[in-house]
Amino acid sequence: GESVGLHLPTLSVQEGDNSIINCAYSNSASDYFIWYKQESGKGPQFIIDIRSNMDKRQGQRVTVLLNKTVKHLSLQIAATQPGDSAVYFCAERARSGGYQKVTFGTGTKLQVIP
Amino acid sequence: GAGVSQTPSNKVTEKGKYVELRCDPISGHTALYWYRQSLGQGPEFLIYFQGTGAADDSGLPNDRFFAVRPEGSVSTLKIQRTERGDSAVYLCASSLASGGFTYNEQFFGPGTRLTVL
Repeated sequence: GESVGLHLPTLSVQEGDNSIINCAYSNSASDYFIWYKQESGKGPQFIIDIRSNMDKRQGQRVTVLLNKTVKHLSLQIAATQPGDSAVYFCAERARSGGYQKVTFGTGTKLQVIP
Repeated sequence: GAGVSQTPSNKVTEKGKYVELRCDPISGHTALYWYRQSLGQGPEFLIYFQGTGAADDSGLPNDRFFAVRPEGSVSTLKIQRTERGDSAVYLCASSLASGGFTYNEQFFGPGTRLTVL
């Protein structure tokens, strides 16, 4: 059956504060890195991506930072809102056999305290 | 337009039974992916279709798992002789043509929660 006792890393943030979610990746050949948000009972939803030749990309209230030297990715959410509460997954894309293969990392649960 | 839909949303079955899980991708999306997600984990790749053909089935855990996409649209994931360890959420995603120089966003369905008793 499903594993029990698995604990997602959890980040608790006060509403209005900034959130930073971190991720380590493994494949040096990955050419894109992606952040997904998953709310309870739903499938993952795309937030933002960054190409491997960039080190920063900004979206609406979100910024992704990429440090290829240490294989580290972070997602910054500005002015965190209750609707940001979800599990966040980083993912890496590699092109394999002419198609894209996306590998997901472990998630981080973001809890926004009103 | 409609997003990716999956049916059923929940499936409870007994050990040893056969199940079929259905995925309706976004119209026009040629790439279709199946993932399995266990509690507290990220989605794990199972199989990828480009059109009607399975271009990569390396993630299928064993030969009890099989998937088809006969007309290049709807896909069915089939699991024979289900085991308790198959219990998970099965996610389907679709995208425009895959493998280009830019990332083609994968749009996910809500998943089918499979429980094997």
